[in-house]
Amino acid sequence: DAKTTQPTSMDCAEGRAANLPCNHSTISGNEYVYWYRQIHSQGPQYIIHGLKNNETNEMASLIITEDRKSSTLILPHATLRDTAVYYCIVRPQNTGTASKLTFGTGTRLQVTL
Amino acid sequence: GAVVSQHPSRVICKSGTSVKIECRSLDFQATTMFWYRQFPKQSLMLMATSNEGSKATYEQGVEKDKFLINHASLTLSTLTVTSAHPEDSSFYICSASGAGAYSYEQYFGPGTRLTVT
Repeated sequence: DAKTTQPTSMDCAEGRAANLPCNHSTISGNEYVYWYRQIHSQGPQYIIHGLKNNETNEMASLIITEDRKSSTLILPHATLRDTAVYYCIVRPQNTGTASKLTFGTGTRLQVTL
Repeated sequence: GAVVSQHPSRVICKSGTSVKIECRSLDFQATTMFWYRQFPKQSLMLMATSNEGSKATYEQGVEKDKFLINHASLTLSTLTVTSAHPEDSSFYICSASGAGAYSYEQYFGPGTRLTVT
């Protein structure tokens, strides 16, 4: 998997938007950008993924730059329950079999009152 | 859909004993299961990948004779830590992937915290 770079930690006030950046300058043409998060002592939770277009779901929005070398995960209205480690991962999306995930160190997001 | 469970959620065992962790896909058939290990304040590290009915593929540095993986059915994989030692204390997480619509993602279990005394 291509390497990703994320800030170690970020703070966000509750109710504000949390913008989590990720650099993936060596991403290949067939690799998707995935975001997971891990709340303390739980398994990772899938958030969103995309290839080159911006994506939005009920949890978050994903903005991918035109050159695909970086992306930003946006939590539009962060709550205390969004406090977690957020992982940005790039991987190919194969049909028929899931590819390995390589977790980096992620960004520890602390949402505060 | 795509729920994965693990049992037990936490276990304490004595040094030298073996402990088995179960990973189940509850509402889909898991053709591939992954086992991860996470030490405190560190990221998840992939230990092995198992396909139903086949031998597991272990990552470099993971002892296959110590971490026995069985994936005998499409809904169950087990990880047995043999002759556990305190350094094996960790958070063990499985994930599962299936066929068709379930083939693109890994669906994670809630994790099992192992403490070896």
